[in-house]
Amino acid sequence: GESVGLHLPTLSVQEGDNSIINCAYSNSASDYFIWYKQESGKGPQFIIDIRSNMDKRQGQRVTVLLNKTVKHLSLQIAATQPGDSAVYFCAELSLNAGNMLTFGGGTRLMVKP
Amino acid sequence: EAGVAQSPRYKIIEKRQSVAFWCNPISGHATLYWYQQILGQGPKLLIQFQNNGVVDDSQLPKDRFSAERLKGVDSTLKIQPAKLEDSAVYLCASSHYTGRSSGNTIYFGEGSWLTVV
Repeated sequence: GESVGLHLPTLSVQEGDNSIINCAYSNSASDYFIWYKQESGKGPQFIIDIRSNMDKRQGQRVTVLLNKTVKHLSLQIAATQPGDSAVYFCAELSLNAGNMLTFGGGTRLMVKP
Repeated sequence: EAGVAQSPRYKIIEKRQSVAFWCNPISGHATLYWYQQILGQGPKLLIQFQNNGVVDDSQLPKDRFSAERLKGVDSTLKIQPAKLEDSAVYLCASSHYTGRSSGNTIYFGEGSWLTVV
């Protein structure tokens, strides 16, 4: 994935609705795909990861889907809350490269009360 | 468990001056990373250490940036001389990864915000 410029894609959802954030990745050899949440003024916070040999993984209110055929990753957030408002980044982890983490583009999620 | 600690949190300097950022990783974490995040973009890896050795520094502008992790714990990142385009957040991260184990989750600090004027 490539970084985006100053104008991040924005997803605006109503509180209580489900959110789906998408990401295209570039390296088929990555071992894990990861979602990070970054709130204003803070560092990225790990949300959930998925190993490259899986296609779905669920956490608390979050689900990550991996489609290796089209190199697509998505994050689904159930019952979105105002506290979910942040920028979400997808990232690829390569163990062969010594646990190297490469970030893709970010999406700004805005939750309307 | 204490997280990744960074200082200073904010720094404003004039171009051509120097600046240094400090990072203390999570206790026991062998791998330490420095990332640069320009406003509106995803973090970009500058350098990665495993213990006190460099794993990757291919994207570190070595004419002005330097980093060290002498005792395999704390790390410093230095910029000298700074340019306007160095204005960014400098993020430190760490993981337990030792090359032979799991524990590959990477945890980030709050970042050091640099403004070059």
